[in-house]
Amino acid sequence: GAGVSQSPSNKVTEKGKDVELRCDPISGHTALYWYRQSLGQGLEFLIYFQGNSAPDKSGLPSDRFSAERTGGSVSTLTIQRTQQEDSAVYLCASSSDGTSLYGYTFGSGTRLTVV
Amino acid sequence: AQTVTQSQPEMSVQEAETVTLSCTYDTSENNYYLFWYKQPPSRQMILVIRQEAYKQQNATENRFSVNFQKAAKSFSLKISDSQLGDTAMYFCAFRKETSGSRLTFGEGTQLTVNP
Repeated sequence: GAGVSQSPSNKVTEKGKDVELRCDPISGHTALYWYRQSLGQGLEFLIYFQGNSAPDKSGLPSDRFSAERTGGSVSTLTIQRTQQEDSAVYLCASSSDGTSLYGYTFGSGTRLTVV
Repeated sequence: AQTVTQSQPEMSVQEAETVTLSCTYDTSENNYYLFWYKQPPSRQMILVIRQEAYKQQNATENRFSVNFQKAAKSFSLKISDSQLGDTAMYFCAFRKETSGSRLTFGEGTQLTVNP
């Protein structure tokens, strides 16, 4: 696609429920990142996928968070048993490869609200 | 670990005037990249300007320029002839040269351009 697409744009869920957030990167981009942006704060790295390599999961805050990337394209971030502190904007970004000098192309994010 | 600090949570400027946003960072790396991203209310992160640490010349992109002081680990953004459309959150970001390195972001500066 022309840009990085994320869905849903907004999600309200009840505490304790599981949620899935989707990211569709730019076609051909091999690198994909997930970041979390809490209210009034900068972006916090969550996970990184590069081609067929094992993902860098070092930023995931707890074992309730997981992500996968199927076929080297679409990625899904799953949060199990959501908590109120999970409320944030979840941003996805992709680049042509991990060495891009041009930073990354970001999607518009999913705003998750846990009530 | 790398850290990025933006000491100005909020700034305002009159339309057509010049404003400078500050950013400092801490790293033991010699080669790296620095970025300024703009995040309007649409939430999508937009790359404004980038700088390679091995380049002494400051990057410029139309009305946007940086003052890169490697020894001082400072990377400020100057916006000339400010426009209403420049109103947004601005994030400074650091990335190691290594392939696949994540972006490390500052906390952001909310810039408001007043008519």
